[in-house]
Amino acid sequence: GAVVSQHPSRVICKSGTSVKIECRSLDFQATTMFWYRQFPKKSLMLMATSNEGSKATYEQGVEKDKFLINHASLTLSTLTVTSAHPEDSSFYICSAILTGTETQYFGPGTRLLVL
Amino acid sequence: KQEVTQIPAALSVPEGENLVLNCSFTDSAIYNLQWFRQDPGKGLTSLLLIQSSQREQTSGRLNASLDKSSGRSTLYIAASQPGDSATYLCAVKETNAGKSTFGDGTTLTVKP
Repeated sequence: GAVVSQHPSRVICKSGTSVKIECRSLDFQATTMFWYRQFPKKSLMLMATSNEGSKATYEQGVEKDKFLINHASLTLSTLTVTSAHPEDSSFYICSAILTGTETQYFGPGTRLLVL
Repeated sequence: KQEVTQIPAALSVPEGENLVLNCSFTDSAIYNLQWFRQDPGKGLTSLLLIQSSQREQTSGRLNASLDKSSGRSTLYIAASQPGDSATYLCAVKETNAGKSTFGDGTTLTVKP
């Protein structure tokens, strides 16, 4: 089946640094990828829709300059948390839609802890 | 704005019981509805996908139903096992290329 990977799986960083999270579709092409944030015991909150070759579409309330998204190829999207602060600590999950279908395949998530 | 609610938030049952998880949504104009499983600290695993034109989908011990007009979906788990313990999320998609709106999930514990 379709597999989506995320790297790193866990990252701890100091406040003020930037962190890049990669989302890869390993065995399929994905024109569209989504980035979600999940708080403890809460559901997934969509942050942005990433389309290959174009600018990401951000949800209301999500800072574009804070969460930089790049979808440079059909198999890779990256989320960069710039100047991270403790309140950015969260579980970030990406998903990819198999081109030509409607099925979302989710990555295993990246846990970010900002000290 | 679509809102998705899952009841109950948590459920604990003895092994072997049949159980039902509920999902309701406010806007019935949906494209599809999907049930996921999430283990602690992990990503999501898709369980069942129901298109808006369908009434139910089955996979093994799982059966999901969809009643668009009333804005409800149920996930039925037969003969529950301890390995079924996880958080179950439902997500509603409004268009084929659109975003999914998730409920907060139901955390299921199946006791041996």
